[in-house]
Amino acid sequence: DQQVKQNSPSLSVQEGRISILNCDYTNSMFDYFLWYKKYPAEGPTFLISISSIKDKNEDGRFTVFLNKSAKHLSLHIVPSQPGDSAVYFCAASGGGGSNYKLTFGKGTLLTVNP
Amino acid sequence: AAGVIQSPRHLIKEKRETATLKCYPIPRHDTVYWYQQGPGQDPQFLISFYEKMQSDKGSIPDRFSAQQFSDYHSELNMSSLELGDSALYFCASSASWGRVAEGTGELFFGEGSRLTVL
Repeated sequence: DQQVKQNSPSLSVQEGRISILNCDYTNSMFDYFLWYKKYPAEGPTFLISISSIKDKNEDGRFTVFLNKSAKHLSLHIVPSQPGDSAVYFCAASGGGGSNYKLTFGKGTLLTVNP
Repeated sequence: AAGVIQSPRHLIKEKRETATLKCYPIPRHDTVYWYQQGPGQDPQFLISFYEKMQSDKGSIPDRFSAQQFSDYHSELNMSSLELGDSALYFCASSASWGRVAEGTGELFFGEGSRLTVL
């Protein structure tokens, strides 16, 4: 039972355009969401997060949107750069104050073409 | 800046053997987490420790055990290895597990230890 779903295994965009990575979740107890970026042979690197009390969080070129009613979040990268090419994992945690047992999606491979 | 250190980076074992993976968290981080990522799979939470006590448990087999030591490093012990244990094992650390609501409790991952069971 996949509680965090990333339905697109891969995404390809042109440099300078917007990349939109989507993530859906089923567990209504999740209250904190994170995006991690992973290069081959490296561990996941934290990118950006959002608490369920917000619907948007922005950090430079990266913006995460949260739609709680739809149990959906998305990561926008604008403008996309070739160095952004990596696997992006959506992760969620919940239980209000509990420790960081993250539930990950299966990841989306983003390829940004020059 | 210091990151999470995992050792060894690569490990090859035979079936039914034992393996130990080590994790050194970022200085002043008091919580460590272990994740297992099989080929083509998403990382699966195994177990976590806060202040040297087990704080949460996920899909960790009974053949596996882990602990966190006084210097906050952690070891994952795997016995009676099976072919299906071949995976990338990530350790992550965070500072103060209770800070979820503040939005500052993101995990920092190590580069992983790749275990191959033959």
